[in-house]
Amino acid sequence: EVQLVESGGGLVQPGRSLKLSCAASGFTFSNYYMAWVRQAPKKGLEWVATISTSGSRTYYPDSVKGRFTISRDNAKSSLYLQMNSLKSEDTATYYCARRELGPLDYWGQGVMVTVSS
Amino acid sequence: DVVLTQSPATLSVTPGERISLSCRASESVDTYLHWYQQKPNESPRLLIKYASQSISGIPSRFSGSGSGTDFTLSINGVELEDLSIYYCQQGNSLPYTFGAGTKLELK
Repeated sequence: EVQLVESGGGLVQPGRSLKLSCAASGFTFSNYYMAWVRQAPKKGLEWVATISTSGSRTYYPDSVKGRFTISRDNAKSSLYLQMNSLKSEDTATYYCARRELGPLDYWGQGVMVTVSS
Repeated sequence: DVVLTQSPATLSVTPGERISLSCRASESVDTYLHWYQQKPNESPRLLIKYASQSISGIPSRFSGSGSGTDFTLSINGVELEDLSIYYCQQGNSLPYTFGAGTKLELK
């Protein structure tokens, strides 16, 4: 059974950093692109980062480019999101998701990040 | 960026009826259009991929159609468990984008 379990969320002050982790199991992690998607409270979904199987290619939308860094450790079947210079508008539930070539076919349960002073 | 416009924003439904949800793209996304269902307090779940391809484990009452800029998600015989928010997402060009969602509520 595919499982994605996020951790590392919490309350953080504006301008500070936070690192999210996602532990994957039930599939060969190194064979799949992975992504982070976020959802602000009562809002829609926003794709915030994606990473290739080896980690050599990454992509970010303008909203987080230069502040967020996605990475992975295939040996540990783990995905990460380093978030720097956090803003109040980064407050959201962050989902780790497996990318089956195109669509996101499995999602974690999500982890809440609140940016507030 | 490709903008996906979903309509209606909210749809009131009666169990058993057939419904259609629309997703329109600001430019062609070919068939790189996927649909997700998000039930209250749950993570999104993939329903339909590449506009019309079914997903294992998803009830057959869900189907998708369309290509280019106009797409439809149909539910043939809505059930109470289908009361959710439905999102479309394009994977044709970066940044990958989602529609704002259509919420199904009970009439």
